[in-house]
Amino acid sequence: DVQLQESGPGLVKPSQSLSLTCSVTGYSITSGYYWNWIRQFPGNKLEWMGYISYDGSNNYNPSLKNRISITRDTSKNQFFLKLNSVTTEDTATYYCATLYGNYFDYWGQGTTLTVSS
Amino acid sequence: DIQMNQSPSSLSASLGDTITITCHASQNINVWLSWYQQKPGNIPKLLIYKASNLHTGVPSRFSGSGSGTGFTLTISSLQPEDIATYYCQQGQSYPWTFGGGTKLEIK
Repeated sequence: DVQLQESGPGLVKPSQSLSLTCSVTGYSITSGYYWNWIRQFPGNKLEWMGYISYDGSNNYNPSLKNRISITRDTSKNQFFLKLNSVTTEDTATYYCATLYGNYFDYWGQGTTLTVSS
Repeated sequence: DIQMNQSPSSLSASLGDTITITCHASQNINVWLSWYQQKPGNIPKLLIYKASNLHTGVPSRFSGSGSGTGFTLTISSLQPEDIATYYCQQGQSYPWTFGGGTKLEIK
């Protein structure tokens, strides 16, 4: 089975950048799937943020405009989220997840990120 | 963006009941609708994809139906382990969007 595990700093100051890592085991991120970041805000609303595909292409939620970047390290079987100019509105639990077709079938355990000075 | 509206936002039912959750899309999404279950303190888990297809390992008391803009998730013979929040998600067009969730409680 595919397993995903997020990691990140836990706390970021406003206006800084957040960087999260998703480590994948059980499947090569170059073999297939689309590798996504999804976040869940306090109050439980879910927002799809974007993905990097098995071939390295990206697709981002326009709501995040030019703040988001998703990259990967194929040698480590990891992919990354970078979100610039964070505000308190970016406080959320961040999940990495696989997209198969048009549904999310494997999810990581999530990492909580707080934006606060 | 396609807006996904779920109702009710919360629901209380008794063990053994059959319950239905509704998800309405702001435009036609054909059958590209998935349902997820998120138990308290846990991660979302895929229940149903393509409106009516049960994901591997999901009990048969869960079922989904609908097409176009209206969809339902039905849970028959409610069990204690069904306490969760349920979300719909459209896969018709980017950006993928989720419903606001339905919190299911047992009476």
